Amino acid sequence: NAGVTQTPKFQVLKTGQSMTLQCAQDMNHNSMYWYRQDPGMGLRLIYYSASEGTTDKGEVPNGYNVSRLNKREFSLRLESAAPSQTSVYFCASSRDRGQEGYTFGSGTRLTVV
Amino acid sequence: AQSVTQLGSHVSVSEGALVLLRCNYSSSVPPYLFWYVQYPNQGLQLLLKYTTGATLVKGINGFEAEFKKSETSFHLTKPSAHMSDAAEYFCAVGRGGGYQKVTFGIGTKLQVIP
Repeated sequence: NAGVTQTPKFQVLKTGQSMTLQCAQDMNHNSMYWYRQDPGMGLRLIYYSASEGTTDKGEVPNGYNVSRLNKREFSLRLESAAPSQTSVYFCASSRDRGQEGYTFGSGTRLTVV
Repeated sequence: AQSVTQLGSHVSVSEGALVLLRCNYSSSVPPYLFWYVQYPNQGLQLLLKYTTGATLVKGINGFEAEFKKSETSFHLTKPSAHMSDAAEYFCAVGRGGGYQKVTFGIGTKLQVIP
């Protein structure tokens, strides 16, 4: 069972470059999420998608955009990377409203220099 | 609004000793509560959850947690620590009754001393 797959696992960007983080789940989950994890700050929600065709801002959306391409895929785009976006990014999914808990991917470690 | 407080960013226990990781929450509606574990360079894995019903919930790897509404707590325990329990643990709260946007605590790193 693949679960939630994130690519790439590591990435180094220069300030101002753009990139897209990919996420795909094979569990037929309706909801998908993007979090960033920073030391001492836990996980903070960037964007989420309650269902295919919908996306909403989370706690820290500035500097990011998302696309729910289909039920399986939810991508996160950095249009102009900044050093403050250096972080570990996690994609997660849940069956419906998440009361059963989330399934997380293994993360993308992004460094912006 | 909802929030989670994990007391102690680092906890050390001896192998075989009791593990107690503390979590307090605030929520204006009945909460859903979760504990996740993160091993180095991996994603988070669900340990256990409380939604409704029995307030003592059992999870994987011998962990359990008790929902205490009067104390707004959801502490994680394990009777006997094993070396493989060394990891970071996150408590999380979701909003019961509505769409689930989960708020995570800052995490507690558990060190197990041989």
